[in-house]
Amino acid sequence: EVQLLESGGGLVQPGGSLSLSCAASGFTFSDYAMTWVRQAPGKGLEWVSAITGSGSETNYADSVKGRFTISRDNSKSTVYLQMNSLKVEDTAVYYCAKDWIVGATNWYFDLWGRGTLVSISS
Amino acid sequence: EIVLTQSPATLSLSPGERATLSCTTSQNVLRYLAWYQQKPGQAPRLLIYDASNRAAGIPARFSGSGTGTDFTLTISSLEPEDIAVYYCQQRITWPLTFGGGTKVEIK
Repeated sequence: EVQLLESGGGLVQPGGSLSLSCAASGFTFSDYAMTWVRQAPGKGLEWVSAITGSGSETNYADSVKGRFTISRDNSKSTVYLQMNSLKVEDTAVYYCAKDWIVGATNWYFDLWGRGTLVSISS
Repeated sequence: EIVLTQSPATLSLSPGERATLSCTTSQNVLRYLAWYQQKPGQAPRLLIYDASNRAAGIPARFSGSGTGTDFTLTISSLEPEDIAVYYCQQRITWPLTFGGGTKVEIK
């Protein structure tokens, strides 16, 4: 079955760190760029970060640049999001998603995980 | 950053009616725009890419149009299962950005 499964969310104090994982199955993971998108409670979608299939290129939203790091391990079919210096405004459901085109980057996303909730509170 | 403005914020229609959703971008994105559907408690689903191409498995009642800065998602005949929030997204430049969403309700 083609799917993405996020994990690693939880409750953290401001200033803390958290590492999210997204395990892929059912497709050739290394062929696809991946992204993280978040959604604060009751709010819209906000793009966070993206990485190419090889991992050679990464991009970040200004709101997380310098604090978050995206990476991938193609041998484990997993993409990660390391989140440091967390702020209350980082509270959201974090989704990972797969680019819809194989072997290139298109930056539209046709497969999404169910998300993992990150809560930042003291 | 390219800002995407969606209107209306909420659309209330009866089953069978035509729904017209708008997305306006602050800069020219050519045709590099997608539409997503997000039902309550679910992840988003890709509906339309490159302004007018339906993604795999998307019913024909969903169509997209537009170029430049003005885009439209049309649901030709609203079904009860179309209750959702719809988002547009541009991919022409970083950062990728989403619109604020249009909520479609059944009257």
